Amino acid sequence: QQPVQSPQAVILREGEDAVINCSSSKALYSVHWYRQKHGEAPVFLMILLKGGEQKGHEKISASFNEKKQQSSLYLTASQLSYSGTYFCGTEVRGSQGNLIFGKGTKLSVKP
Amino acid sequence: DGGITQSPKYLFRKEGQNVTLSCEQNLNHDAMYWYRQDPGQGLRLIYYSQIVNDFQKGDIAEGYSVSREKKESFPLTVTSAQKNPTAFYLCASSIDGGPYGYTFGSGTRLTVV
Repeated sequence: QQPVQSPQAVILREGEDAVINCSSSKALYSVHWYRQKHGEAPVFLMILLKGGEQKGHEKISASFNEKKQQSSLYLTASQLSYSGTYFCGTEVRGSQGNLIFGKGTKLSVKP
Repeated sequence: DGGITQSPKYLFRKEGQNVTLSCEQNLNHDAMYWYRQDPGQGLRLIYYSQIVNDFQKGDIAEGYSVSREKKESFPLTVTSAQKNPTAFYLCASSIDGGPYGYTFGSGTRLTVV
């Protein structure tokens, strides 16, 4: 089952913050986050393996609530380079490492 | 530099023809994947392979076929049985197991006319 991402799209001014959510109907083993710029390959941002785990990558961080089967990506003090479509990829137990991706959240950062 | 190479970047084919998309990696990754991306749909798994000479169907395997004769290569054939083949195709690889993400190729945009 495809995870549900919200919001579908968000527009920010430089320096503003955003939160992107990813929810699954199945118990999760891990959650991946990727960013894709138009016409390019998705780029790996981070993976969260344990319930409650939080990770950071520059000003982008994420949390994983295993009990609620959801993850959130936090972008703080956004920069123009943060623009793109963000995908979460969820791995359920027994899936042999395969990821099911959400439909994506399009983030546009304006000057 | 290590990475995944997909070729060609753009491909045009007539309806009813089979077409093969190339995917080569020099990362020494065990697992390889093919995803299809349509606007607003995210990435959907077509096939995956965790070891040479073995592969499994993903969620939308109908009309597609793959082979994994070498660790480095995982070509995808889009057959004439695929009803709606026009899409952006992404190949990815990963280390089998462990806290590692996928590395994606730059994709092939297939247009069937």
